[in-house]
Amino acid sequence: GQQVQQSPASLVLQEGENAELQCNFSSTATRLQWFYQHPGGRLVSLFYNPSGTKHTGRLTSTTVTNERRGSLHISSSQTTDSGTYFCAIGGGGSALGRLHFGAGTQLIVIP
Amino acid sequence: EAAVTQSPRNKVAVTGGKVTLSCNQTNNHNNMYWYRQDTGHGLRLIHYSYGAGSTEKGDIPDGYKASRPSQENFSLILELATPSQTSVYFCASGDVSSYEQYFGPGTRLTVL
Repeated sequence: GQQVQQSPASLVLQEGENAELQCNFSSTATRLQWFYQHPGGRLVSLFYNPSGTKHTGRLTSTTVTNERRGSLHISSSQTTDSGTYFCAIGGGGSALGRLHFGAGTQLIVIP
Repeated sequence: EAAVTQSPRNKVAVTGGKVTLSCNQTNNHNNMYWYRQDTGHGLRLIHYSYGAGSTEKGDIPDGYKASRPSQENFSLILELATPSQTSVYFCASGDVSSYEQYFGPGTRLTVL
C-alpha cells in the first residue's frame, strides 16, 4: 500500500525564519493535500495540490507527482504557525477518495 | 469551507460498553470518512462511505462498525469498547470531483 514519509519529524524555528517541510510517497498518486492541526486538535486544509505550485500568504505548496514528492514552504514564520503539519496522498491505485496520511511534522516557533 | 460537526466532543466509556460517535456534514458531499489519531501513527482510516447506505472498510476496521443512514450523517459504532480504542476520532467529508477532504473537530474517547 501507499507509504507516506514526512520530514523532518519535528522542527524548532526562531520567529522570522523559513521552514521547508518534505513529503515523499511510495506509489503513484494523483493528489496531495496538506493539513495543519491546531494544538487544540482541529485539522484545517491548507492546500489541495495535485501538481505544480500554489501560494497562500506565507505558504507555498509544491507537488512533483512523477517524482513522488511534495513540499510545504513557510516563510517568515510566526509563533501562530506552531502546530503539526500533515501531508496526505490519494489517487493512483488507491480506492476512490482515500487519503493516506504521513506521521506529521511538528513545528514549534519561538519568539 | 465544508461544515462537519461531531458529537459528542468528549466521551468516557466502560470496557464492554457500546459507543456511538456521530458525524454530520451540511455540504452535500457524497464521501465521508472516519479516522483515529494516536501518537506516532498520524491518522488511520477506519471506515468510509461513498453515499447513503454504503460503508467500506478502511485500514483498521476491526472492532468498529459504521452506518450511513443519509447523505448528511455517518456514525461509527463500537459494539464492545476496549481500552485500546481510547483515541481521538475524526470524521471528514469529501467532494467527489476533487476528493478534497474537510475535517470535523474530533471526538476524544476514553475507554476505562
